[in-house]
Amino acid sequence: AQKVTQAQTEISVVEKEDVTLDCVYETRDTTYYLFWYKQPPSGELVFLIRRNSFDEQNEISGRYSWNFQKSTSSFNFTITASQVVDSAVYFCALSEAGTGFQKLVFGTGTRLLVSP
Amino acid sequence: EAGVVQSPRYKIIEKKQPVAFWCNPISGHNTLYWYRQNLGQGPELLIRYENEEAVDDSQLPKDRFSAERLKGVDSTLKIQPAELGDSAVYLCASSPLGRAGSGNEQFFGPGTRLTVL
Repeated sequence: AQKVTQAQTEISVVEKEDVTLDCVYETRDTTYYLFWYKQPPSGELVFLIRRNSFDEQNEISGRYSWNFQKSTSSFNFTITASQVVDSAVYFCALSEAGTGFQKLVFGTGTRLLVSP
Repeated sequence: EAGVVQSPRYKIIEKKQPVAFWCNPISGHNTLYWYRQNLGQGPELLIRYENEEAVDDSQLPKDRFSAERLKGVDSTLKIQPAELGDSAVYLCASSPLGRAGSGNEQFFGPGTRLTVL
């Protein structure tokens, strides 16, 4: 069975601080994809990144970076020099080969509050 | 390119009333999803369509929920009758039909926030 755990319910930081959002997943499949989505107050889920299980290279995109470690079943997300516009709920999600990669299972989300 | 469109954005009804939500996916996207997102939770899949066919409706409460995607484009999700516990945000998403084994990202609409009184 697939499961995604985001233990941090809410994080508050001051602008320009770095912040890491944790994601731990469970799956019996050896082939799977991991995702991060951002949900701003407007409600729309915005795709941030997709990573497949065979690619453990860390990725950096501007102020965003992702650390994928299969050994600990984690896919953590770091925002460097946070900004007020980063305030949102962030979801980690998993899709498995067993479902044809068509079923996204989401964590419960982490609400990030960035204050000026 | 237009994103996923949903309407209405907000709906308030009394329990036992019917309600319907509409979704227009991104042009060319064959796969369409309906999710329900309860307060403080992540979205949970209700039903998935590939073109006109509902290929996964295992999580859809079929006693009161129904969905259709008649021409393989727009979709409607209906609840009849609504119950207090149905209050949630209903999200529609779409994705292109990708090559086998690819984890296509899903593109989400803004959702419909339903309040049942």
